Amino acid sequence: GNSVTQMEGPVTLSEEAFLTINCTYTATGYPSLFWYVQYPGEGLQLLLKATKADDKGSNKGFEATYRKETTSFHLEKGSVQVSDSAVYFCALSGDFGNEKLTFGTGTRLTIIP
Amino acid sequence: GAGVSQTPSNKVTEKGKYVELRCDPISGHTALYWYRQSLGQGPEFLIYFQGTGAADDSGLPNDRFFAVRPEGSVSTLKIQRTERGDSAVYLCASSPQAGANYEQYFGPGTRLTVT
Repeated sequence: GNSVTQMEGPVTLSEEAFLTINCTYTATGYPSLFWYVQYPGEGLQLLLKATKADDKGSNKGFEATYRKETTSFHLEKGSVQVSDSAVYFCALSGDFGNEKLTFGTGTRLTIIP
Repeated sequence: GAGVSQTPSNKVTEKGKYVELRCDPISGHTALYWYRQSLGQGPEFLIYFQGTGAADDSGLPNDRFFAVRPEGSVSTLKIQRTERGDSAVYLCASSPQAGANYEQYFGPGTRLTVT
C-alpha cells in the first residue's frame, strides 16, 4: 500500500535559517503529493502540492519538487520566520479511485528569534 | 464563507459507551472524508463519501465504527462500545469533488477521550 516517510522531528532553527524537511514515499501508479501545515491552535491546511513528476509546488516562500526517480518531495524554505513555527505533514493521494490522503507522522518546526 | 465545522469540539465518554461525531462540510462540496489523528501521529484515513454513498471505507478499524451521510451534506461518525484506544482527534475534510486536483479542507476536529 501507499506510505509516506517523513523526517523525524522536532526541528529547531534560528530565524532566517534555511529549512529542509525530508519526505519520501512509496506508492503505486502516479500519486499526487502534498504538504499540509498545522499552526498552533488551528486546523490542518494545505501548504502546497504537486500532481505529476518534476512539478514544483510553492506557497509562502516554501517549495517542494516532485522527484519520481528518488520518490521524494522535500520541503524547503530559504529564510524561515518565527511565524513558520508549526507542524508540517507530507501526504500523498493515489490515482482515481484512491483519493484518500496518506500522511507522514509530521515534523514539528520551531523557529527562535 | 463558512469552513468545515465539527461538533462537539471535545467529547469525554466512558469505555463501552456509544458516541456520535458530526461534520458539516463546506456547502456544495460533494466529497467528505473522515480521518483519525492519534497523539504524535499524522492523520489516518477512515472513510470517504462521494455524495451519499461511501466510496471507500477501507480505513474503518472494525465494525464498531460506522459513518453515514444520508442527504449528501452532513455526516455522522458513529462509534459503538468505545474503547480507550479510540481516544484521538477525529478530523473531517470536504472537497468540491473527489480527486487530487481538489483541495481537501479540514475542520478543527473533535477530540474524543475514552476513560
